[in-house]
Amino acid sequence: LAKTTQPISMDSYEGQEVNITCSHNNIATNDYITWYQQFPSQGPRFIIQGYKTKVTNEVASLFIPADRKSSTLSLPRVSLSDTAVYYCLVGVPLFSGGYNKLIFGAGTRLAVHP
Amino acid sequence: NAGVTQTPKFQVLKTGQSMTLQCAQDMNHEYMSWYRQDPGMGLRLIHYSVGAGITDQGEVPNGYNVSRSTTEDFPLRLLSAAPSQTSVYFCASSYHPQGDNTEAFFGQGTRLTVV
Repeated sequence: LAKTTQPISMDSYEGQEVNITCSHNNIATNDYITWYQQFPSQGPRFIIQGYKTKVTNEVASLFIPADRKSSTLSLPRVSLSDTAVYYCLVGVPLFSGGYNKLIFGAGTRLAVHP
Repeated sequence: NAGVTQTPKFQVLKTGQSMTLQCAQDMNHEYMSWYRQDPGMGLRLIHYSVGAGITDQGEVPNGYNVSRSTTEDFPLRLLSAAPSQTSVYFCASSYHPQGDNTEAFFGQGTRLTVV
C-alpha cells in the first residue's frame, strides 16, 4: 500500500479557502485517493474520492495532477465547524477486486480561527 | 438507518480481564473492520472481514480475536486486557466489491481503559 505524507497541522480563518496537500510518490496504477474527516470523539467520515484530474462534491474538491504522486484537498470558505483532522488514504478500491484496507496515517489537524 | 452501532461506548477493564466489543451494521455491507486510535494518533487496522466466515489480520492484530458469523455483526474480543490496549476502538463497514462506492462508514467508537 502506498505511503502518504501530509502536513501535521494547518491554521486558517473563517471564510478562507484551505488546501491540504498529500504526497503519495509510490501510488500504484489501480490505487484511488480518498480523504476522510474526523471530529474529536467521532469516527472518520468520508469526504471525497478520486483517481485523476479533479473531483468536486458539495463538501470539497480534490485535485490530482497527471503523475498522481500528490493530491490536494480543497475546502472552500471554511467555518469553525471545519476544525478537524483530515486523512489522505491511497488504496485499491473495492470494485477492482481488491479490498481497500484503509490504512490511515497521522492526518492533518486543521484549526479554523474566528 | 442506524448505520454502524458500537457497544459499549465506554468500558473500564482490569488487567487480565477479557471482553467483547460489539459492532453491528444494518446496511448489508460485506466488508467490516476494526481500528484502534491512540491519543493524537491516526487509526490503526486491527482485523478486517470481507464477508461472513472470512476474517484476516490488519496492522496490529496481537491480543485481539474476531469472528464473522453473520453479515451484520463483527465482534472484537480482547483475550487478556493489558494497559497498552487502552485506546478508542472504531468499527467500520463498506460496500460490496461489485459496487462502485468505496465509502467506509464508521461507528462512534468505544473508549476502553485498562487499569
